[in-house]
Amino acid sequence: EVQLVESGGGLVQPGGSLKLSCAASGFTFSGFAMHWVRQASGQGLEWIGRIRSKPNNYATVYAASVKGRFSISRDDSKNTAYLQMNSLTTEDTALYYCTPALVGTTPAWAFDIWGHGTMVTVSS
Amino acid sequence: QSALTQPRSVSGSPGQSVTISCTGTSSDVGGYNYVSWYQQYPGKAPKLMIYDVSKRPSGVPDRLSGSKSGNTASLTISGLQAEDEADYYCCSYAGGSTVFGGGTKVTVL
Repeated sequence: EVQLVESGGGLVQPGGSLKLSCAASGFTFSGFAMHWVRQASGQGLEWIGRIRSKPNNYATVYAASVKGRFSISRDDSKNTAYLQMNSLTTEDTALYYCTPALVGTTPAWAFDIWGHGTMVTVSS
Repeated sequence: QSALTQPRSVSGSPGQSVTISCTGTSSDVGGYNYVSWYQQYPGKAPKLMIYDVSKRPSGVPDRLSGSKSGNTASLTISGLQAEDEADYYCCSYAGGSTVFGGGTKVTVL
């Protein structure tokens, strides 16, 4: 069964840090780019960034809103992607999803697999 | 990278067709055939409905179709059903990054 499980969310004070994890199973994790997407309550989807696969040198790209504060990494041996979030502000409060860039079993620039997300609340 | 522009809401009666537009620029929608559409029910994760502008993943009904003209992509839902009432988001490759639309709420009257 294809599955993504995000974890690590919680309550953090402004200026603080948090590291999210995304555990994948049921597909060849190492073969696909992994993206992070967030959604504030009642708001739309916002793409945060992505990390490509090993053949593509694990290249990362970030949205302007998080560049310099967030970093994405992955451990293919653990089928897990990570999102390190630093210098958090209240505007980072959202449900965070990870999702691989694939459709079915084929690389694609679309997101066919989603987890339930992990909630991050930035508040004093 | 600015969000793609979608109408806030569209509505239609059962059996009718509705079309959701998604307007970007030549740096995203207009520059690549990598537009995807997602359906999202309240409290649920998004579900991929269309990818590569007009392709449907397995299991998505052919009542949904996608197209693109210039910098604007469109999602058409034909034969509207009660279960189609949800939020819909477009998404486009943007030269290395990715950008979503603001979302459109589809209401079945």
